Formats: sequence, C-alpha cells, structure tokens
Amino acid sequence: DVKVTQSSRYLVKRTGEKVFLECVQDMDHENMFWYRQDPGLGLRLIYFSYDVKMKEKGDIPEGYSVSREKKERFSLILESASTNQTSMYLCASSWDFKAFFGQGTRLTVV
Amino acid sequence: SQQGEEDPQALSIQEGENATMNCSYKTSINNLQWYRQNSGRGLVHLILIRSNEREKHSGRLRVTLDTSKKSSSLLITASRAADTASYFCATPLRAGANSKLTFGKGITLSVRP
Repeated sequence: DVKVTQSSRYLVKRTGEKVFLECVQDMDHENMFWYRQDPGLGLRLIYFSYDVKMKEKGDIPEGYSVSREKKERFSLILESASTNQTSMYLCASSWDFKAFFGQGTRLTVV
Repeated sequence: SQQGEEDPQALSIQEGENATMNCSYKTSINNLQWYRQNSGRGLVHLILIRSNEREKHSGRLRVTLDTSKKSSSLLITASRAADTASYFCATPLRAGANSKLTFGKGITLSVRP
C-alpha cells in the first residue's frame, strides 16, 4: 500500500513564525501536492511538484513556498505564519492520475 | 480554480437507501475521479472513470460520466452508516500524467442507522 506521511497531525504556531510542514511518500511517485482545506471552500491547491526541484503554483500560493530536494519528500513552508493560514493542510502524491493522501496536519496560528 | 462542482452540498438518507451524488465540470477532461474523506482525515481514492468510459462499477459504487453534459454521478447502493463521509470529485487540469489535480467543494453524506 502507498503510504504518504505528514510529520504532524496537530501543530500550533505563533504569528510571524516560519513553519515547515513535511510530507514523505514511499512509492517513488513523481507528482506531489499540497492542499489546504477550509469549511465551505473544499480543497484548494497551494503548490504542485512534478519532479525533484520542479514546482508549479496552485490557486493560492501567496504566503507559502515549497521545497523538493528528494523525490520522496515535499515540504511546505509558511514564510511568516499568519492567523488566516490556520487550516487543515493535506499532502498527496499521485500515480496514473490517482492521488494518495496523508492524514492531514491541522495547523493553528495564534 | 476549482474545476468540479458537486451537488447536492449535503445529503441525509436512511441506511439501506441509495445515495446519488453529482459532479459538473467546466473543461474537457481525460478522466474524473471520486474520493471519500472521513471526518478529520485525508482523502481516499474510490474510483476513476476515463473519458472514453460511460459507466464503471466497484462493489456498491457505480459511477457514470456524460462528457456531452460535462457531468458525472456517483451512486452508492444499499448505504451503510459507515458510508457517512464527505465525497469529492476531482479532475486533472491537463491531459498528461504530470497534471494538477483539482477538487470540488465536496458533498457531506449522512447515513442514519
């Protein structure tokens, strides 16, 4: 079974902190994604990576950056956390169009 | 931008009844997928239907695709309390394998015991 692991289930950070969300997949998938999920808004794509060091902006990249130095790891970085970044963050990898998700990280910025 | 839009937003049925959920999308696609999300968890892939297919089955799930109407439906037959979850349709933005995958806002299904 494909496993996508996010480093934390719950995270509380202070406004202005630099925050790293880590995601690791064990199936050698080329594509990896970061989404945020908010009530009533569904899943919105933040960033997409289709290979090591390759990335594309999604619908809401402002305030975020990503890093993909190794194929299995895709990191989401909040440069300076703000309260409006409080959300559920979901990482996924995909193969043959099918996405496999991690368990999610619920981030609260106070 | 969100390509798919599910309908209804919420559905409540009795155990044993069938649940029908719909998804409409805007641009041409080469496949459409349905996912389930249990409360507070990640999404789980249920079924993928390609643009040259009209219907597909997987256990109690039946998915149809009408490319002329740009719509899909997911039918869950003989529903169970364990089917209570949110359901999302998803479509790739590009034809190639390296494509962004976009999701709708989801349908909340409640199955009453």
